[in-house]
Amino acid sequence: NAGVTQTPKFQVLKTGQSMTLQCAQDMNHNSMYWYRQDPGMGLRLIYYSASEGTTDKGEVPNGYNVSRLNKREFSLRLESAAPSQTSVYFCASRLLNSPLHFGNGTRLTVT
Amino acid sequence: AQSVTQPDIHITVSEGASLELRCNYSYGATPYLFWYVQSPGQGLQLLLKYFSGDTLVQGIKGFEAEFKRSQSSFNLRKPSVHWSDAAEYFCAVGDRGGSNYKLTFGKGTLLTVNP
Repeated sequence: NAGVTQTPKFQVLKTGQSMTLQCAQDMNHNSMYWYRQDPGMGLRLIYYSASEGTTDKGEVPNGYNVSRLNKREFSLRLESAAPSQTSVYFCASRLLNSPLHFGNGTRLTVT
Repeated sequence: AQSVTQPDIHITVSEGASLELRCNYSYGATPYLFWYVQSPGQGLQLLLKYFSGDTLVQGIKGFEAEFKRSQSSFNLRKPSVHWSDAAEYFCAVGDRGGSNYKLTFGKGTLLTVNP
């Protein structure tokens, strides 16, 4: 019973490098989300996908792109990483208005 | 736009003492309300939720929360805190209607439990 799986768990990038954070859920949820968590800021929504084939910007989308590859998978891409993107990234999913189920996070450091 | 305020950044209580964590929300109608807990290095785990009906909701680990419409509040309570409750707690509000599936989180309250 995996739930929401995020890879990788840790990543260090140099400024300007690109990378993709992967997220997959096995609960047949319709909606998927990417949040970033920074000290004292709580969780801020980057992008979300209400259903397969749709994506929308959240509160802090600049510098990120997303792909809802299929119902299970929702990836987050940093095209040109910046130190301001150092954060912990959480993927989450849910069914309609049920509670969010979270992955264990990816800790990203950009030097 | 919906918003959530958790007025207390950090709370310290003694083990066995009672606990109340405050949450105030801003939303045009009755929202969906949630409390999540996060242990260090972990993801967020749902403690409880309010959708409708009884305004006092029970959650896991002995927690409860009360929805007070007149005060736009959804405070989390526990009668006797255990050392294992030390964690960060997040209140969240969700939109009920339309195609907006977003949840908005407060900035969190860090709970320290003294022996």
